[in-house]
Amino acid sequence: NAGVTQTPKFRILKIGQSMTLQCTQDMNHNYMYWYRQDPGMGLKLIYYSVGAGITDKGEVPNGYNVSRSTTEDFPLRLELAAPSQTSVYFCASSPVSSYNSPLHFGNGTRLTVT
Amino acid sequence: RKEVEQDPGPFNVPEGATVAFNCTYSNSASQSFFWYRQDCRKEPKLLMSVYSSGNEDGRFTAQLNRASQYISLLIRDSKLSDSATYLCVVNMKQAGTALIFGKGTTLSVSS
Repeated sequence: NAGVTQTPKFRILKIGQSMTLQCTQDMNHNYMYWYRQDPGMGLKLIYYSVGAGITDKGEVPNGYNVSRSTTEDFPLRLELAAPSQTSVYFCASSPVSSYNSPLHFGNGTRLTVT
Repeated sequence: RKEVEQDPGPFNVPEGATVAFNCTYSNSASQSFFWYRQDCRKEPKLLMSVYSSGNEDGRFTAQLNRASQYISLLIRDSKLSDSATYLCVVNMKQAGTALIFGKGTTLSVSS
């Protein structure tokens, strides 16, 4: 199994540009998440989804959008990139709520906005 | 008080040493607790869950103290391959997704 796959691995954006970070999982997990990790900081939840068609905001949703049209895919959209969005982005999934189920993370996307 | 606090380290220890990390959490209603390991420039991976009675997995022992609101991770007989950042993760409630990640404690094991 591939697990959680994120693309691209690296990206440089100019201020104001848009992009979509792709995330797909092949474990048939219901829950999917997007986190960002800034240097020396803990992971912060951006958005999450408890199943296809259902998404909800996390701790730091501003500047981002998500959709969940299928169980497998959970893309993250940046509409107007800002330097504050320079970070490492991790997608994760779990079969049930993270309360009692570990998260399976993708390899991450390193995004730089200049 | 921050939601989840860890000593950032770094902890520099020789091979074979025993090292312990502590993590404190602010919400007394927190329900579940985990230690994740993150290698440099890699994704976090679950190391172990932390149970109320304490639990052990090989050289790793996790303890939970609800009264004092802290969890600990003990690593015995440290290996070079244990060098990584250890993330304390606390779930604040039973429903939904309320995982709070600590900033991590960095361990460097040298020969």
